[in-house]
Amino acid sequence: DAGITQSPRHKVTETGTPVTLRCHQTENHRYMYWYRQDPGHGLRLIHYSYGVKDTDKGEVSDGYSVSRSKTEDFLLTLESATSSQTSVYFCAIRDQRDASGANVLTFGAGSRLTVL
Amino acid sequence: GESVGLHLPTLSVQEGDNSIINCAYSNSASDYFIWYKQESGKGPQFIIDIRSNMDKRQGQRVTVLLNKTVKHLSLQIAATQPGDSAVYFCAEIRSNDYKLSFGAGTTVTVRA
Repeated sequence: DAGITQSPRHKVTETGTPVTLRCHQTENHRYMYWYRQDPGHGLRLIHYSYGVKDTDKGEVSDGYSVSRSKTEDFLLTLESATSSQTSVYFCAIRDQRDASGANVLTFGAGSRLTVL
Repeated sequence: GESVGLHLPTLSVQEGDNSIINCAYSNSASDYFIWYKQESGKGPQFIIDIRSNMDKRQGQRVTVLLNKTVKHLSLQIAATQPGDSAVYFCAEIRSNDYKLSFGAGTTVTVRA
């Protein structure tokens, strides 16, 4: 997965508890993204980062916060988890495939979160 | 609103046949279109992309066609194999913000 590590890979938690998912990359990519994937919705952007301490909201950012204190780590936090946040979360980095190609996203393996 | 979507949620294909997966988009400002493949329990993997000023691009066993007139994108897989069973997503990128917008995906099942 192009040097992207997500942790934890699986987590079960209870409603109202805080949860932090970590994305770690080893290739010094500037742009990092958090997506969630739900049946019938495809992948939806939660937050993204364009550098250390530089982040912005995506289309489904409510209930989530992020932090990027160093290039290699992008953290996604659910301050008070709800059942609607049960999902599979994917981290991604922006990568240029070739000189004429798009800056595409390369995804991690995902973190499956269940909120009871 | 602007969206990227796929025509059919599922596709069943006989092994060895060619597969065609379709996608409709509505944002004319997109600069690139990308196809991703997602196998069970894994993250999406890049297959092929096409710039908006191109009509066709070929890769290994895959071809992407872009019809800007009707805002339609397709992925053709030649000689479909069991390993091609997966969910396929199309996505679009606008160069000004590099945010990907994904469709809901087509699940391809290859019959032996």
